[in-house]
Amino acid sequence: AQSVTQLGSHVSVSEGALVLLRCNYSSSVPPYLFWYVQYPNQGLQLLLKYTSAATLVKGINGFEAEFKKSETSFHLTKPSAHMSDAAEYFCAVSSGNTGKLIFGQGTTLQVKP
Amino acid sequence: DTGVSQDPRHKITKRGQNVTFRCDPISEHNRLYWYRQTLGQGPEFLTYFQNEAQLEKSRLLSDRFSAERPKGSFSTLEIQRTEQGDSAMYLCASSRRTSDNEQFFGPGTRLTVL
Repeated sequence: AQSVTQLGSHVSVSEGALVLLRCNYSSSVPPYLFWYVQYPNQGLQLLLKYTSAATLVKGINGFEAEFKKSETSFHLTKPSAHMSDAAEYFCAVSSGNTGKLIFGQGTTLQVKP
Repeated sequence: DTGVSQDPRHKITKRGQNVTFRCDPISEHNRLYWYRQTLGQGPEFLTYFQNEAQLEKSRLLSDRFSAERPKGSFSTLEIQRTEQGDSAMYLCASSRRTSDNEQFFGPGTRLTVL
């Protein structure tokens, strides 16, 4: 069965600093992986997705993620944090024929001025 | 493409009452999902429709929960005899049947059971 683990429930960075949010997955088949962002009291917005093409995936708002099969990881990065990046971030893997998403616990990103 | 919409956005009810939520997916999407998200947790899958057929239900979906998608368009999620533990954000998502199954989420319905 597929699963996702996000290391670190809270990450705090200074504005302009590197953002690194960690995600490890478990999957018996080549996975489809996603990063979503959620602002307070809103739904989820897709940041980027890995679908077995390029291992380095670029998304919206300057985010990118690298798929590393050997490490079963799909960490999210952004070179320079903005105050507007403060939100909850979820890593997810698509599971089975239905494509339902299995989510990690989420990481809250705090950006300090 | 108007996005996925959900109604109501907020619902406060008393324990034991029944509630119903509605989801309108993106019009050409034939796949529809319901998820539940409790505070500080990631969303958890509840159920999946392909067109009007409900093809998968999570064990989280007790017999107090029922979902429908008549005619393969909008969907409703009903909770009967609500309990305080049902308090959560209920998220709906839709997708086309593509290989990566990218899902588009609605804004959610926040349920508070008093």
